[in-house]
Amino acid sequence: SAVISQKPSRDICQRGTSLTIQCQVDSQVTMMFWYRQQPGQSLTLIATANQGSEATYESGFVIDKFPISRPNLTFSTLTVSNMSPEDSSIYLCSVEITDYERSDQETQYFGPGTRLLVL
Amino acid sequence: RKEVEQDPGPFNVPEGATVAFNCTYSNSASQSFFWYRQDCRKEPKLLMSVYSSGNEDGRFTAQLNRASQYISLLIRDSKLSDSATYLCAVNLGDYKLSFGAGTTVTVRA
Repeated sequence: SAVISQKPSRDICQRGTSLTIQCQVDSQVTMMFWYRQQPGQSLTLIATANQGSEATYESGFVIDKFPISRPNLTFSTLTVSNMSPEDSSIYLCSVEITDYERSDQETQYFGPGTRLLVL
Repeated sequence: RKEVEQDPGPFNVPEGATVAFNCTYSNSASQSFFWYRQDCRKEPKLLMSVYSSGNEDGRFTAQLNRASQYISLLIRDSKLSDSATYLCAVNLGDYKLSFGAGTTVTVRA
């Protein structure tokens, strides 16, 4: 597996402001992802963070609202821009790692998440 | 139809009981399947990968039925610490995972 950290762990923000969430992993990984988990719901993929190129966004998510950076193979940021109360959620980064203990299966591991409350 | 569907439960079982639940997926081309465990206010943690027809890890058994497009998770000899939400995840290709909404299990003393 991998050790993944996220900052901040939680924040309370005013509507109209922006928050940048950082994700750091302790080893170089090719694939990093950003998910959102709204209260009582499952995880929804926002985008794949590509190193050296623009992120690939899923349907319903756009770069202007969720700009993503991926400057190297161990780090990524997600910005939640012009926030509204509907953006209140947990934001999680994940990395994909080849799990040699599980028949070389490609497996995703998650960071601890960032809890965001927008007032 | 949702890509991944789970019975939300809750499954409320006594300690020592066996509990099992399913997850259905819509994309017949899916190749990789996973069960994650999520505790309240925590991130999902990988419980099991499911490949071939299934696999077993201690008290946990996962099975894959490609013909009917579902995977199952069975927990034997339930412990209080097994209380959690269990998320099913299906690899859609291109490294992406689609998650079910989760099945809540509560084990009571």
